[in-house]
Amino acid sequence: RKEVEQDPGPFNVPEGATVAFNCTYSNSASQSFFWYRQDCRKEPKLLMSVYSSGNEDGRFTAQLNRASQYISLLIRDSKLSDSATYLCVVNSNTDKLIFGTGTRLQVFP
Amino acid sequence: NAGVTQTPKFRVLKTGQSMTLLCAQDMNHEYMYWYRQDPGMGLRLIHYSVGEGTTAKGEVPDGYNVSRLKKQNFLLGLESAAPSQTSVYFCASSRWGSLGMNTEAFFGQGTRLTVV
Repeated sequence: RKEVEQDPGPFNVPEGATVAFNCTYSNSASQSFFWYRQDCRKEPKLLMSVYSSGNEDGRFTAQLNRASQYISLLIRDSKLSDSATYLCVVNSNTDKLIFGTGTRLQVFP
Repeated sequence: NAGVTQTPKFRVLKTGQSMTLLCAQDMNHEYMYWYRQDPGMGLRLIHYSVGEGTTAKGEVPDGYNVSRLKKQNFLLGLESAAPSQTSVYFCASSRWGSLGMNTEAFFGQGTRLTVV
């Protein structure tokens, strides 16, 4: 089993839609969780960290469920510019950052 | 602000050749990482370092070596390149967080390596 698993998608949604991505992790001792965004042929960039109480940044909401070992990302009112691959990242122990394979989102007009 | 800089950006190697990829960061980060990214595989950790003079293996270390002689530099070496090492390589760095955990990782722009 992979340490971090994501649905690869693609998710094709119209502008204005709400879309949610889930990510599961296998190491119950993991402490840090992040969502990164990667545009085609570019480097990954931090979208948001995920905190235990959940957090929101504009149209983006991240949730953490430690009991079930998954994190989620909700995007409201999708924009064309949200089209990208979204990477779930987990700190598997105190040293390593492990990436999921990414979920591709395509927003269409 | 330079952040994380990788050199070279593109390279074509013949099977059996060697090369070194250089990663430099100017943020005084303790942690540095080398990942490779292949279609459908996501980013896989090759090697990482938690500080100057230390290195450790990641998920896919075979065929690669690394060195961190200076805090700001992390080198990735391919001793004898193979076609299976054709990939996009990303370097990243992060600092030690207040709870002893990784914080946000900053990435270089990537190196596209083709081994023929």
